[in-house]
Amino acid sequence: QKEVEQDPGPLSVPEGAIVSLNCTYSNSAFQYFMWYRQYSRKGPELLMYTYSSGNKEDGRFTAQVDKSSKYISLFIRDSQPSDSATYLCAMSGNNNAGNMLTFGGGTRLMVKP
Amino acid sequence: SAVISQKPSRDICQRGTSLTIQCQVDSQVTMMFWYRQQPGQSLTLIATANQGSEATYESGFVIDKFPISRPNLTFSTLTVSNMSPEDSSIYLCSVTNRGGSTDTQYFGPGTRLTVL
Repeated sequence: QKEVEQDPGPLSVPEGAIVSLNCTYSNSAFQYFMWYRQYSRKGPELLMYTYSSGNKEDGRFTAQVDKSSKYISLFIRDSQPSDSATYLCAMSGNNNAGNMLTFGGGTRLMVKP
Repeated sequence: SAVISQKPSRDICQRGTSLTIQCQVDSQVTMMFWYRQQPGQSLTLIATANQGSEATYESGFVIDKFPISRPNLTFSTLTVSNMSPEDSSIYLCSVTNRGGSTDTQYFGPGTRLTVL
């Protein structure tokens, strides 16, 4: 079993839809949770960064962390074709960047006009 | 966040040869990392490169195959040695500044390597 599980998709939605992307994990030591967006042939771009449980909102994006369930989510409101990309969740055990990030496999999202 | 560039952006190489990938950052950073992303897969950490010390390699990666240099706080290189088709992948560097506001990793654009 992988430490971080993420549905690979592809997830196809119409423009304007609310998108829900999710990851589950098994390591209860994870405390820092990140979402990266990766366009085709580009490097991952940091979207959201959260610590421990709770919600964090940034524009159309909301990140949720439920440590009790070992489950994190990224919601995208009013999705746009420009949101079409692969979304990677990542997590680490402490606020020490020398500790490696563990990535999910990525979910490919397609937003159709 | 730091601006990160990588050279080359892509290359096609012959089996048995070696390729050195450069990673340049526009500001001094504490730590640099090298990842591999195989087609359709997520990111796998190869090694952590710290200035002034030898790189720390993850399980399954060895220095003879992936030698790394980190001569200063803004630059690192990764060499893929004695390449085989299985080394075809995207190689990404990332950076972080320990103690920064988010203390997380920012990625370069990647180097797309094809080995024939």
